[in-house]
Amino acid sequence: DSGVTQTPKHLITATGQRVTLRCSPRSGDLSVYWYQQSLDQGLQFLIQYYNGEERAKGNILERFSAQQFPDLHSELNLSSLELGDSALYFCASSPDGYSNQPQHFGDGTRLSIL
Amino acid sequence: QQQVKQSPQSLIVQKGGISIINCAYENTAFDYFPWYQQFPGKGPALLIAIRPDVSEKKEGRFTISFNKSAKQFSLHIMDSQPGDSATYFCAARGVSGAGSYQLTFGKGTKLSVIP
Repeated sequence: DSGVTQTPKHLITATGQRVTLRCSPRSGDLSVYWYQQSLDQGLQFLIQYYNGEERAKGNILERFSAQQFPDLHSELNLSSLELGDSALYFCASSPDGYSNQPQHFGDGTRLSIL
Repeated sequence: QQQVKQSPQSLIVQKGGISIINCAYENTAFDYFPWYQQFPGKGPALLIAIRPDVSEKKEGRFTISFNKSAKQFSLHIMDSQPGDSATYFCAARGVSGAGSYQLTFGKGTKLSVIP
């Protein structure tokens, strides 16, 4: 058990809809990372938050947004969903974004767009 | 764009054999190279990692070989077991514009170890 909790485990919705994925980092970790995993693209970094502030952006679409709350949990919001957004979404956490501490991953949310 | 190229996509090895997965990178500023192991239904878990000032690192049956001049690194799994069947990702760490570390992943290798 990595200590990173993601909910829900599975999400099925339709095109055009909006969903929110939730992540609770490991106790004490201040940094949260979101990744998208698809069969053809592998693990793609989306965005990083550190102690409530956006720290780095990767290949995140404008339809997607994220935030990290004062209790350090994070939410990834996906809107105007398209079929191509079907993927596994992972959250990872680390103590900070700067040290040599590795990222620990949750078990992901599987998003299926019908 | 920073890239990490991983091969092969899939690998079938007999029990007791050696599994070898290769990765190549472009950005010489990468400073840390971890390997992650992922089982179905689970998130990636850190397996072993190496820094570019070391040519080899061994942990149990798992060894990373690193060739800085060729910008390549590989994972060797000795005495492969059916329990090693999983997807393996190589990654490389670089510094983002904001000064924090960011991982770039290869596309993964699905390893199947057959009895």
